[in-house]
Amino acid sequence: DTAVSQTPKYLVTQMGNDKSIKCEQNLGHDTMYWYKQDSKKFLKIMFSYNNKELIINETVPNRFSPKSPDKAHLNLHINSLELGDSAVYFCASSWTENEKLFFGSGTQLSVL
Amino acid sequence: SQKIEQNSEALNIQEGKTATLTCNYTNYSPAYLQWYRQDPGRGPVFLLLIRENEKEKRKERLKVTFDTTLKQSLFHITASQPADSATYLCALDNGQAGTALIFGKGTTLSVSS
Repeated sequence: DTAVSQTPKYLVTQMGNDKSIKCEQNLGHDTMYWYKQDSKKFLKIMFSYNNKELIINETVPNRFSPKSPDKAHLNLHINSLELGDSAVYFCASSWTENEKLFFGSGTQLSVL
Repeated sequence: SQKIEQNSEALNIQEGKTATLTCNYTNYSPAYLQWYRQDPGRGPVFLLLIRENEKEKRKERLKVTFDTTLKQSLFHITASQPADSATYLCALDNGQAGTALIFGKGTTLSVSS
């Protein structure tokens, strides 16, 4: 059983398109996150939800919109994709804030 | 601004030796420091957490130290094995609500047999 699963694993798309990445955790955790890892392998927080409520919203373009339909799911929708959006996006979860994180295997997004 | 530095991007050692990785930080007061391992094409995996009032933590062949005066953590892998080859990430947490882990860029460890 995969604890934190995200789909798709790979996403190749054209500039200007809209795409979504889905994430689900079966650990019963309250808090979920989206991190972005760029080409230099730097892992940076984008958003965090605690029990479906947005608690962290870093300086991210408005084209990125997270949605948490329930505490086990956190999806990321990206509008009008740009070349600079190419990166690996990781979903993660934790029991509460300030706890160790459990990461998904990542979604490699390539914008052409 | 907050800054986390991991001493080198790459570290090469021979099997059986002890690997020591360094994490330094500035302009930050972490309540916790965490270490993660990341293999190519995979997400980071949690290894150890150490609190600001703890000097040292051990788990099997792993040892972490935390010196808040020096603003530094050392991560040791004793009796290293080729299977330990991976990227190791240091992450800081100030323990406050509404904040998330801040990661360093990582050190890629290669253990040769």
